[in-house]
Amino acid sequence: GNSVTQMEGPVTLSEEAFLTINCTYTATGYPSLFWYVQYPGEGLQLLLKATKADDKGSNKGFEATYRKETTSFHLEKGSVQVSDSAVYFCASNTGNQFYFGTGTSLTVIP
Amino acid sequence: GAVVSQHPSWVICKSGTSVKIECRSLDFQATTMFWYRQFPKQSLMLMATSNEGSKATYEQGVEKDKFLINHASLTLSTLTVTSAHPEDSSFYICSAQSRAARNTEAFFGQGTRLTVV
Repeated sequence: GNSVTQMEGPVTLSEEAFLTINCTYTATGYPSLFWYVQYPGEGLQLLLKATKADDKGSNKGFEATYRKETTSFHLEKGSVQVSDSAVYFCASNTGNQFYFGTGTSLTVIP
Repeated sequence: GAVVSQHPSWVICKSGTSVKIECRSLDFQATTMFWYRQFPKQSLMLMATSNEGSKATYEQGVEKDKFLINHASLTLSTLTVTSAHPEDSSFYICSAQSRAARNTEAFFGQGTRLTVV
């Protein structure tokens, strides 16, 4: 079946620290992979995506590489800012529906 | 990216009344729309998938008579919570996908906070 497992939070980091949020997936077929971000009281916004193996998605300093051999799509950022505080969701999609991880809450303190 | 507008962003209603939530794709034709429910500090739970012009497909455990979904046009889907009760209080989010964008991306509304008192 299809599922997404991501690192449980909450995660608290100091400003300018390095961020990694792990995400692994199981899928029948070849899914597209996504990271969505949710700010308090809002819907989900697409952060980045990758549609095939070895693709790297990047946006706003965040990066994630589609690793087929490890079925992973870990999110990284070299230097986080207070404004990055939000909940991050990893997701996969094989064309029929999205499968979301449980979300990881990130708090960045000054 | 494409824009999905969800309305209202928050609503408070009395127990026993019905509430309608609208989800509109503003600049593309949404052949498929998804309705999710999100509990505090939890992930999104898919409630149902609706394709334009056909009946919605509900996930196991979701009462279709309570959560009425209509997807009458390529730009509008509605979720009606009928005879709402306090346990229906939650954050509801829609997302829309075009035929061309299948497997690549879905666009999310900003969500609706429903509080039933």
